[in-house]
Amino acid sequence: AQSVTQLGSHVSVSEGALVLLRCNYSSSVPPYLFWYVQYPNQGLQLLLKYTTGATLVKGINGFEAEFKKSETSFHLTKPSAHMSDAAEYFCAVSESPGYSTLTFGKGTMLLVSP
Amino acid sequence: DTEVTQTPKHLVMGMTNKKSLKCEQHMGHRAMYWYKQKAKKPPELMFVYSYEKLSINESVPSRFSPECPNSSLLNLHLHALQPEDSALYLCASSQATGGRQTQYFGPGTRLLVL
Repeated sequence: AQSVTQLGSHVSVSEGALVLLRCNYSSSVPPYLFWYVQYPNQGLQLLLKYTTGATLVKGINGFEAEFKKSETSFHLTKPSAHMSDAAEYFCAVSESPGYSTLTFGKGTMLLVSP
Repeated sequence: DTEVTQTPKHLVMGMTNKKSLKCEQHMGHRAMYWYKQKAKKPPELMFVYSYEKLSINESVPSRFSPECPNSSLLNLHLHALQPEDSALYLCASSQATGGRQTQYFGPGTRLLVL
């Protein structure tokens, strides 16, 4: 069975600082991994995804994530935080083959201070 | 265009009311999903439709009744709901089911049951 662990329910950074949101997964087969962002009172927006190929994945808004199979991790980073990055971030895993039932982590709220 | 639209944005209903939530996508996707999201929690899968047929029902109470009239539309009929059903209801779609498919989410309908 697949599962996702996001370390830290809240992460606080200063504007301009490095953003690091941690995600570890458990999967019995090669996983597909996703990061979604949710702004207040909105739906989920895809930031980036790893399916196959290059392990360093670039997404929207300057975010990127690296798939590390040996560490079963898919951490999300951004070199310099903006105030507009404040939101809830969800890591999700989907196994193949079979139906694409996404298993979400519990989410990490990113707080950005001036 | 990766837009999924949902109506209404907000809904308040009594426990004896019947109402419907609507979801629409024009991306040619053949898989559509309903999720329920409580505050500060990740989305929970309710139903999956694949090629207009219900393929997954995550043991959702019968007071929630999904309907997929065609490949672009997904409805969720609500009847005799309970206050604990108050939540954000999210619709998503993907090209097909399967692990590597990306799900695109709508903005959600915020439901309050009185």
